[in-house]
Amino acid sequence: EAQVTQNPRYLITVTGKKLTVTCSQNMNHEYMSWYRQDPGLGLRQIYYSMNVEVTDKGDVPEGYKVSRKEKRNFPLILESPSPNQTSLYFCASSLRSGTNSYEQYFGPGTRLTVT
Amino acid sequence: ILNVEQSPQSLHVQEGDSTNFTCSFPSSNFYALHWYRWETAKSPEALFVMTLNGDEKKKGRISATLNTKEGYSYLYIKGSQPEDSATYLCADAGGTSYGKLTFGQGTILTVHP
Repeated sequence: EAQVTQNPRYLITVTGKKLTVTCSQNMNHEYMSWYRQDPGLGLRQIYYSMNVEVTDKGDVPEGYKVSRKEKRNFPLILESPSPNQTSLYFCASSLRSGTNSYEQYFGPGTRLTVT
Repeated sequence: ILNVEQSPQSLHVQEGDSTNFTCSFPSSNFYALHWYRWETAKSPEALFVMTLNGDEKKKGRISATLNTKEGYSYLYIKGSQPEDSATYLCADAGGTSYGKLTFGQGTILTVHP
């Protein structure tokens, strides 16, 4: 089944404890992206990747890192999480990069709480 | 317009009503305009990606139009059903960087039986 998977789906952690949220797609998509969703603020892009080893900042990259060593995986790393990173996170992928004219497929979401 | 704006923020209609919402986006450096449907407790799902001025796309009872010169897109739902209840998001793939996608805050549609 073609899909985007994220793990974990739910995570409660403490301030400062490094964590990684994994994202994997099995559709051979070039483009991958991370978003966070907060009430009243909509979906905001954190980082995106146009292809392997090509990543760039979205609108809210502070406090996050990403890497794209393989085409299928795009992990999101929080080196020192803080309570303001409590949010619902979505990973998404699309077939081609270019001018972003392909629909995005979203993962199931990861609900992160930082205390 | 500097940001992607959607109106109205929320909408309540009766089953069978037709409805429409608006997405406004910066009209310079346009690449593509996306529409997504997001049901509660699920993930956003793509409805349309539109790239050309004057584009009209249709999927069942849902259709969308695009005006890139004035920077707006309309989403229409004909004969709304309770299962159409969801948040409808638009996203602008324009700007100065390929790859950036800016979402509006969404229109929450509730269809009452």
